[in-house]
Amino acid sequence: AQKVTQAQTEISVVEKEDVTLDCVYETRDTTYYLFWYKQPPSGELVFLIRRNSFDEQNEISGRYSWNFQKSTSSFNFTITASQVVDSAVYFCALRVIIQGAQKLVFGQGTRLTINP
Amino acid sequence: DAGVIQSPRHEVTEMGQEVTLRCKPISGHDYLFWYRQTMMRGLELLIYFNNNVPIDDSGMPEDRFSAKMPNASFSTLKIQPSEPRDSAVYFCASSLRFRGNTIYFGEGSWLTVV
Repeated sequence: AQKVTQAQTEISVVEKEDVTLDCVYETRDTTYYLFWYKQPPSGELVFLIRRNSFDEQNEISGRYSWNFQKSTSSFNFTITASQVVDSAVYFCALRVIIQGAQKLVFGQGTRLTINP
Repeated sequence: DAGVIQSPRHEVTEMGQEVTLRCKPISGHDYLFWYRQTMMRGLELLIYFNNNVPIDDSGMPEDRFSAKMPNASFSTLKIQPSEPRDSAVYFCASSLRFRGNTIYFGEGSWLTVV
């Protein structure tokens, strides 16, 4: 099965705390791509990062960092020193080929609330 | 560069009416996707096109839904007749040809059928 699981439905923290959003995926493909998207209250889907299955190097972008571990099929996302503007729903997604067709399979999302 | 452009942003319509959602993908992108987001089902792929040709429409819920892409810069998603259960946010997205490339989403069309 091609599946993405975001076990945390909602997370609420106080501003300046660090927070990690978990993402676990399942795929039979040896080549695949993982993504994180942010959906702020205004509703649009904003691309954050793409990672291919051959690149397990962790990535840092400002206060954001991503930890990709093939051994545990996880692609976790950490926000350091969280801010109120980080409040949003975050989606992890897996891009695979299913029966010859491209699919971007989304997790159910984690609603993150940063309280002042 | 302009992103994916969708219209209308918001639409409220009565049950039974025809609804047409429009999308302009990012210039140069070969793939165009239509997604639907609901509370119950999350984000689900309805249909996607490659070079204006529909490749996979297995996600289209029923015959009331149809999508077209007459040229590389325009696509429509039509619902006829609309029903209250079609109320959702409809996203159009596009990407370059290689399957690993990022899919960029529009701002969504918020549809309410009353």
